[in-house]
Amino acid sequence: GQQLNQSPQSMFIQEGEDVSMNCTSSSIFNTWLWYKQDPGEGPVLLIALYKAGELTSNGRLTAQFGITRKDSFLNISASIPSDVGIYFCAGQLYGSSNTGKLIFGQGTTLQVKP
Amino acid sequence: DSGVTQTPKHLITATGQRVTLRCSPRSGDLSVYWYQQSLDQGLQFLIQYYNGEERAKGNILERFSAQQFPDLHSELNLSSLELGDSALYFCASTRTSTYNEQFFGPGTRLTVL
Repeated sequence: GQQLNQSPQSMFIQEGEDVSMNCTSSSIFNTWLWYKQDPGEGPVLLIALYKAGELTSNGRLTAQFGITRKDSFLNISASIPSDVGIYFCAGQLYGSSNTGKLIFGQGTTLQVKP
Repeated sequence: DSGVTQTPKHLITATGQRVTLRCSPRSGDLSVYWYQQSLDQGLQFLIQYYNGEERAKGNILERFSAQQFPDLHSELNLSSLELGDSALYFCASTRTSTYNEQFFGPGTRLTVL
């Protein structure tokens, strides 16, 4: 079953606002990834993090790999209508580096009001 | 477009039936992953293949099986279908067996009536 707690579950914000979401786990992770899923589509990779403390940006998106290896956050700055979708965190458990198996959070649904 | 293709896009069938979902990975990718996405369980890892061999198994039911063929495409077989098997099934691929940046296909929506 799921081992990642993602919050918030949903957000409804005004265009131009910044957004923050995070994932926590009771287990240590080797890797954290953030995906976005549009309705009826497959998840699209946004950012990958490989090192504790790492801070990585992709345009208006910034994500960090927590120092404890048990958490990660994603920030979206100056949101626009096309940011609407479901955002998932995913991670590879420490000690399972011989496979690419990922565990996913439950997702954060983002709605942006123009 | 991720480069991963899945067919069919939609599948409607009855309980007790058997279906096969197909996935073609990105060109050059050797590893294929199958996930199930349902409203109550989220995205759940089912199984991973690398270059034709099973590499990791997740919460895959015994009624489900998969294989990866020499041309690297993969098939997920679901049998004795139940209403609860209705879900989106995604395939993802990566170049190696341990590389984490998985690229997802568009999915197959399975409806069991």
